Amino acid sequence: GAGVSQSPSNKVTEKGKDVELRCDPISGHTALYWYRQSLGQGLEFLIYFQGNSAPDKSGLPSDRFSAERTGGSVSTLTIQRTQQEDSAVYLCASSLTSGSTDTQYFGPGTRLTVL
Amino acid sequence: DQQVKQNSPSLSVQEGRISILNCDYTNSMFDYFLWYKKYPAEGPTFLISISSIKDKNEDGRFTVFLNKSAKHLSLHIVPSQPGDSAVYFCAASDVDSTNKLIFGTGTLLAVQP
Repeated sequence: GAGVSQSPSNKVTEKGKDVELRCDPISGHTALYWYRQSLGQGLEFLIYFQGNSAPDKSGLPSDRFSAERTGGSVSTLTIQRTQQEDSAVYLCASSLTSGSTDTQYFGPGTRLTVL
Repeated sequence: DQQVKQNSPSLSVQEGRISILNCDYTNSMFDYFLWYKKYPAEGPTFLISISSIKDKNEDGRFTVFLNKSAKHLSLHIVPSQPGDSAVYFCAASDVDSTNKLIFGTGTLLAVQP
């Protein structure tokens, strides 16, 4: 079956512009996660959704970052007034439930470059 | 504050030999540990996991060892194959908290034919 998909695969934007990144989780997966990987770093947790609710937003680095999930499926991560330090690969993952040992399946990521 | 550390950025091993990738953690609340493998331009894929109630978990050529007292885990790959060449990430979670994963910075494994 289809895995997690993300779009766009690459995004180049100018400093100060807003960007939207999309994630389509595996069908039927109720939990959805956003992470980002900056150059030379590990994956950094951003936000977690259970259904359409976000019980944990603790990783969002600033109020320029927001995310929503609709219909318990697609999620959008929005970055307003992008800065150069926002350049990273943004990864989305989903799991069947929010069970503590449920495997998180990752999409291929969106590479964001802020000039 | 890096709660999960992979101190070796890279490792090179001959085909057929054992690959040992190491990971250390600092948060004693972590009780579930995972290894993910990542090829370029792809998302990480789950490889193997271990709960803190165990000290070893084996799946085919892959074995993960956990030493809770040392807050250390390792991934053994035997025998190593060229297709194993990838970046390996160690991750941990606190199952009493949300399911967010805390990742290390990764180790690039190169298996030489």
